[in-house]
Amino acid sequence: AQSVSQHNHHVILSEAASLELGCNYSYGGTVNLFWYVQYPGQHLQLLLKYFSGDPLVKGIKGFEAEFIKSKFSFNLRKPSVQWSDTAEYFCAVSARGNNRLAFGKGNQVVVIP
Amino acid sequence: GAVVSQHPSWVICKSGTSVKIECRSLDFQATTMFWYRQFPKQSLMLMATSNEGSKATYEQGVEKDKFLINHASLTLSTLTVTSAHPEDSSFYICSATSSGGRRAGVTDTQYFGPGTRLTVL
Repeated sequence: AQSVSQHNHHVILSEAASLELGCNYSYGGTVNLFWYVQYPGQHLQLLLKYFSGDPLVKGIKGFEAEFIKSKFSFNLRKPSVQWSDTAEYFCAVSARGNNRLAFGKGNQVVVIP
Repeated sequence: GAVVSQHPSWVICKSGTSVKIECRSLDFQATTMFWYRQFPKQSLMLMATSNEGSKATYEQGVEKDKFLINHASLTLSTLTVTSAHPEDSSFYICSATSSGGRRAGVTDTQYFGPGTRLTVL
């Protein structure tokens, strides 16, 4: 079974700062990788995903993530955050051909205006 | 994007009663739906996988007789919490994927419902 690790559960930063959230998974086979965002009081929304191809994936709202297979990582980045990026971010992994998702514990990101 | 709804959005019930939560895919056919439970300040934990027309597959440690799942159509799955107790109070979230039948591009991506807050008194 897959497992997902997200570090630094609470992140506080100022507007215009850069954001990087780490995600590491443990699974020996081919995976699908996802980042979901949950804004306060809202449901989970897909931010970006990686299935195959270019390991640098661009998502919505200026986010991107890079899949590094050798490091079993799929870190999320945004060069300049806004107050509206305050949310909880979840990394998730599924084995290829299996839609069962394993989620990390999430990163609570607070952006100070 | 693909839209998934849940009903009700919140429910309060007495201990010992049963509660049914509905999950609907509004604009695509969901051959597979998933049910998660989210505790406060924690991640989502997969409870079960529901395939249309077949029995649900439960994750280890999830009581199938307590959490009854029915996926009777390609747009509807229900989760019934039977004989609910206060420890069942939680946020229940469903998600849905498609085989790609009517909407190409939704395969292997889960689209989540808004969740149902269950409080058992």
